[in-house]
Amino acid sequence: SQQGEEDPQALSIQEGENATMNCSYKTSINNLQWYRQNSGRGLVHLILIRSNEREKHSGRLRVTLDTSKKSSSLLITASRAADTASYFCATDFGGNTGKLIFGQGTTLQVKP
Amino acid sequence: ETGVTQTPRHLVMGMTNKKSLKCEQHLGHNAMYWYKQSAKKPLELMFVYNFKEQTENNSVPSRFSPECPNSSHLFLHLHTLQPEDSALYLCASSQDNQPQHFGDGTRLSIL
Repeated sequence: SQQGEEDPQALSIQEGENATMNCSYKTSINNLQWYRQNSGRGLVHLILIRSNEREKHSGRLRVTLDTSKKSSSLLITASRAADTASYFCATDFGGNTGKLIFGQGTTLQVKP
Repeated sequence: ETGVTQTPRHLVMGMTNKKSLKCEQHLGHNAMYWYKQSAKKPLELMFVYNFKEQTENNSVPSRFSPECPNSSHLFLHLHTLQPEDSALYLCASSQDNQPQHFGDGTRLSIL
């Protein structure tokens, strides 16, 4: 079964607004990661949150993790046109395999 | 510049051709990965290599053959592909279980 399902699938907002994306997963994890992908490019790692952490910040990014609900959210504050991209969550089960399971992603459009 | 370089960026091939995708990482990482990214589907892990040894084969058809001659280079040899194999193929590397660094991918089209 698929780990890491994001919603919404697509999100369109105005510059300056906040964007929130959610990710749900099915089994226990070691950590959860968020990646960004600009059109025609590879994925870029944004932030990692461990299973024993509840919230983490990096610049305009805020990630929360609720292991009881098996869900995470990514908040981008004061969005910019340059934030337009697809955002993916990825779950790491641990076990030193390096294996990540990615969700389908949320496509974010920020209009200037 | 992510430190992971993939060539070629675009590839068009017929179903009977043989071609290879190349990935090189300049980050000193010990693990390398191949992923397949198709439209409207999640990123699919294909293979994982750790210190040149294959540690994961995610039930990939034998028409995809990976090769990892050293920790910096990873190849994906392609033979007798099908139209459904058209996709973006992404390579990534990491140091142990640290976050992965991705290349910009090879856009593969099968005629």
